[in-house]
Amino acid sequence: GESVGLHLPTLSVQEGDNSIINCAYSNSASDYFIWYKQESGKGPQFIIDIRSNMDKRQGQRVTVLLNKTVKHLSLQIAATQPGDSAVYFCAETPSPGGGADGLTFGKGTHLIIQP
Amino acid sequence: DTAVSQTPKYLVTQMGNDKSIKCEQNLGHDTMYWYKQDSKKFLKIMFSYNNKELIINETVPNRFSPKSPDKAHLNLHINSLELGDSAVYFCASSSSGYTDTQYFGPGTRLTVL
Repeated sequence: GESVGLHLPTLSVQEGDNSIINCAYSNSASDYFIWYKQESGKGPQFIIDIRSNMDKRQGQRVTVLLNKTVKHLSLQIAATQPGDSAVYFCAETPSPGGGADGLTFGKGTHLIIQP
Repeated sequence: DTAVSQTPKYLVTQMGNDKSIKCEQNLGHDTMYWYKQDSKKFLKIMFSYNNKELIINETVPNRFSPKSPDKAHLNLHINSLELGDSAVYFCASSSSGYTDTQYFGPGTRLTVL
């Protein structure tokens, strides 16, 4: 079946550096993409989202890039801080058609911030 | 105030037992969800529910059943628990638009012995 996945299970970066987390998706009909952050022992927390009619969206220290041609999504975190250490998931919702559909999550990337 | 809450936080039980996990949201949302996160951190939708419709992931065994006494609550009942049911279960809620953010609860870690 079609799925959303991540390239790297673990990413280690130095504090203060920028990090990039990648995600590949296979459903070309996907319309809406979200990045979630999950800290140890907690539930996923919304970071940023992007619709398929956009290529880039920026938040506070985070940027999401969407390349529909190669079905690739990335999350850039600027000037990483210790609190950024977590598992990051990309997720997508099905094409418009039902507001009650759940999210399809990728496998997750564990971001480790080295002091 | 906690937006989405779940009880209990931890649940340890024997195979074959029946158990329930409760979920409450105070966000005024009309759609709630249950997700299962396995030992490899993979999150998978189990159910989504609003006051009109229950959508069930076809891979979920019928031993699992959601029950919603009102819009703010969606409880998960599990019958005849099996070892493979051990996981972390997350409740979430959102408004009904498909681009509306889903807010997750803190999770319930279920261990079946």
